[in-house]
Amino acid sequence: NAGVTQTPKFQVLKTGQSMTLQCAQDMNHEYMSWYRQDPGMGLRLIHYSVGAGITDQGEVPNGYNVSRSTTEDFPLRLLSAAPSQTSVYFCASSYGGADRAYEQYFGPGTRLTVT
Amino acid sequence: QKEVEQDPGPLSVPEGAIVSLNCTYSNSAFQYFMWYRQYSRKGPELLMYTYSSGNKEDGRFTAQVDKSSKYISLFIRDSQPSDSATYLCAMMASSASKIIFGSGTRLSIRP
Repeated sequence: NAGVTQTPKFQVLKTGQSMTLQCAQDMNHEYMSWYRQDPGMGLRLIHYSVGAGITDQGEVPNGYNVSRSTTEDFPLRLLSAAPSQTSVYFCASSYGGADRAYEQYFGPGTRLTVT
Repeated sequence: QKEVEQDPGPLSVPEGAIVSLNCTYSNSAFQYFMWYRQYSRKGPELLMYTYSSGNKEDGRFTAQVDKSSKYISLFIRDSQPSDSATYLCAMMASSASKIIFGSGTRLSIRP
């Protein structure tokens, strides 16, 4: 199993550009989520999904869109990049249900810089 | 006020010392309490979890939850240089799927 994979590993964007961060998992996990990690702020939940076709907002959803058309993939779209979105982005997945969601498997992260 | 508060450190202790890491929270609906460990430039990994109150031990690691005080702790005994990492507490309510993380404590074990 590859686990949770994220592409790209690094990305530099100019203000106003859009892009999609890719996330895929091969563990047949129902639950997937996106976090951003900033110094001193810990991991903040952007969006999450409890299954294909179902998504919901986390703590900091503004400026980001998600969709979940398959169990395996959960892409994160930046609509119009801003310097405040400079961060490290982590995708995570887990088995579904509140009694299994606590065990999140994280990808290696994408380091995004917006200039 | 943030739902989960964690002292960011950094915390530096000598090898062999007992380490105590703590978090406080405000949401009484939280039922699952987790500790994740994150090495530099890596994704976090689940270290331990506790459901509701009480203690849980796993080798050199002990997790404690005091729901009456809304306070959780992670103790590391006989700390090793390989324990040097950022430790993040995380919490989840049974009825919800959101996991809320603390800001993380950076720990360094000096040989």
